[in-house]
Amino acid sequence: TQLLEQSPQFLSIQEGENLTVYCNSSSVFSSLQWYRQEPGEGPVLLVTVVTGGEVKKLKRLTFQFGDARKDSSLHITAAQPGDTGLYLCAGLRGSQGNLIFGKGTKLSVKP
Amino acid sequence: DTAVSQTPKYLVTQMGNDKSIKCEQNLGHDTMYWYKQDSKKFLKIMFSYNNKELIINETVPNRFSPKSPDKAHLNLHINSLELGDSAVYFCASSRQGAVDTQYFGPGTRLTVL
Repeated sequence: TQLLEQSPQFLSIQEGENLTVYCNSSSVFSSLQWYRQEPGEGPVLLVTVVTGGEVKKLKRLTFQFGDARKDSSLHITAAQPGDTGLYLCAGLRGSQGNLIFGKGTKLSVKP
Repeated sequence: DTAVSQTPKYLVTQMGNDKSIKCEQNLGHDTMYWYKQDSKKFLKIMFSYNNKELIINETVPNRFSPKSPDKAHLNLHINSLELGDSAVYFCASSRQGAVDTQYFGPGTRLTVL
């Protein structure tokens, strides 16, 4: 069973639209990270959320960690073609554990 | 300068062969990792090393053997390659454990024929 469920799996939208990607689990995480991966490259960290209910903003991207630290969301406002990529959430269980990744959301923003 | 580098970028080989992938980081980090990303883009940790010592070994066949000659390098040797080993393998590093930001290499696409 997959520990972290991401939805949707694929998302194709027009430039200027808003979107939300979800990352859900039945497990509690000490922190949750969001990465973006472009074709032929490794994932790059966008943000880490640690506190339940925490909201972080990175320009047009808003990240939220659920109050119970079991889920997270990524909201993009006014998407641009440069936002195209694979978005991965990853949860950390405990300080000595390893990162557990979701299966990713492939976003395509058309001009 | 590239922070985490891997060689080769592409590796095509026959079943049953033995191959190695090299990874180097110039960030001065203590912890290094190997991940496998399958054709569906699912990224899963294989190994974690801290200061040259194995920390995590996630149910990986013993055909896979990581080697860390020093804390800046973590190489992955794979014996008796199988079709199912075809994937993209990513090396990563972090300052001290998984609580710190992980920096990923560009990946090595392994194709086993």
